[in-house]
Amino acid sequence: AQSVAQPEDQVNVAEGNPLTVKCTYSVSGNPYLFWYVQYPNRGLQFLLKYITGDNLVKGSYGFEAEFNKSQTSFHLKKPSALVSDSALYFCAVRDGGSGNTPLVFGKGTRLSVIA
Amino acid sequence: GAGVSQSPRYKVAKRGQDVALRCDPISGHVSLFWYQQALGQGPEFLTYFQNEAQLDKSGLPSDRFFAERPEGSVSTLKIQRTQQEDSAVYLCASSFSFTGISYEQYFGPGTRLTVT
Repeated sequence: AQSVAQPEDQVNVAEGNPLTVKCTYSVSGNPYLFWYVQYPNRGLQFLLKYITGDNLVKGSYGFEAEFNKSQTSFHLKKPSALVSDSALYFCAVRDGGSGNTPLVFGKGTRLSVIA
Repeated sequence: GAGVSQSPRYKVAKRGQDVALRCDPISGHVSLFWYQQALGQGPEFLTYFQNEAQLDKSGLPSDRFFAERPEGSVSTLKIQRTQQEDSAVYLCASSFSFTGISYEQYFGPGTRLTVT
């Protein structure tokens, strides 16, 4: 069975500083990894995904994530945080080798960017 | 183009009432998913359709939950005899991929269900 861990409930960062939101995963087959962002009273918005290929994935709004197979991690990063990045971030995984499996989400990390 | 839409956005039901939640996926998206998001938690899978076929309903918490997608587009999640533990946000997502494996899912705004 797949699982995702987001070890930090809350991350605080000053505007202009780099940010990292951590995610580790467990999956029996090939990991298909996703990051979503959720703003208040809105659905989840897709940021980026890793399926195969380059370990560094670039996504929307300047976000990127690095797939690390040995550490089973897929941390979300941004070089310079904006106040508007403040939101709830979810990491999700799907087992790419087991047919039509659903996304399994972490519990989410609330990012607060302080001006 | 239009994204995934859900209605109603908010629903208050008295314990024991039946509710029906609607999802309009992105046009042309074959795969449709329902998730339940409890307060302070990540979304949890409920059920999955590929066109009109319900391929996976392993996440439905009880036989009070029923989902359908009769024409392969609009889907309805029905909850019978609602209980307080059903209070959550119900999210619908659609995906272009035939297999639903590698393509990202696009989420609707959700329906917040409160059972009193």
